[in-house]
Amino acid sequence: QQQVKQSPQSLIVQKGGISIINCAYENTAFDYFPWYQQFPGKGPALLIAIRPDVSEKKEGRFTISFNKSAKQFSLHIMDSQPGDSATYFCAARKHGSRLTFGEGTQLTVNP
Amino acid sequence: DTAVSQTPKYLVTQMGNDKSIKCEQNLGHDTMYWYKQDSKKFLKIMFSYNNKELIINETVPNRFSPKSPDKAHLNLHINSLELGDSAVYFCASSLSGASETQYFGPGTRLLVL
Repeated sequence: QQQVKQSPQSLIVQKGGISIINCAYENTAFDYFPWYQQFPGKGPALLIAIRPDVSEKKEGRFTISFNKSAKQFSLHIMDSQPGDSATYFCAARKHGSRLTFGEGTQLTVNP
Repeated sequence: DTAVSQTPKYLVTQMGNDKSIKCEQNLGHDTMYWYKQDSKKFLKIMFSYNNKELIINETVPNRFSPKSPDKAHLNLHINSLELGDSAVYFCASSLSGASETQYFGPGTRLLVL
C-alpha cells in the first residue's frame, strides 16, 4: 500500500524559477515529514523536515508547506539553480516507526 | 571522515552466485537500515536493526539475510542471485529516540547478469 504519493514524477524548471513538488499521505498518525535530496551516484540526504504543528518551514531557498486537513505537503525551491538538479523524495513516519518514501521527483534546472 | 560507508561500491556477478555487501557507520547511531532502490528510483526499506536486533523485516525473499555483528555494522548477504536483484542497495543509520534523520551511505550498485 503506497501511503505517500508524490508528484510530479519529473519537473523541468528554468534557472531562477520556482520548483514545486507535492506529496499526499493517508496515515493521519504520521508526525514527521522530511524531504530528502539525492544527486546522481550518491545516497539520499536530508534536506528539510517539518512536523504537523506548523504550516510552513523555511530554510534558505527551500520551504515546506504543510496542510494537515488536506493531508498534503509540498516542497518549494525558490530561485532554482542548476545545482539543485537532483531527485527529491518526500517521506513520512509515525513516531517509532519506519520512514515511508514517496516515489521521487527528478528535477532538472536548465541554465 | 565518511559517516556511512559501504563496500563494494559496484558489484557485477552472475545469476545464482552468493554475494555480500558491508556497511559501517561511525556516527555512534544505534539503528541501521538496508534500502533497495530500483531503476525507477523508488526507495524501499528491506531491513532495520536496532542495537543489533532485527526490528523491521519487510516482505523480502529469504535469500536476503542481514547480519549485525555490532551497532556500527550491518551486512547484507544475498544467496542465489536473480536478475531482479539488480538495483542500488543503500545502507542508512539513525539515532533512535533523539532524531529521525537517517544518514545514507553512497550505495552499492549490484548488477546480476
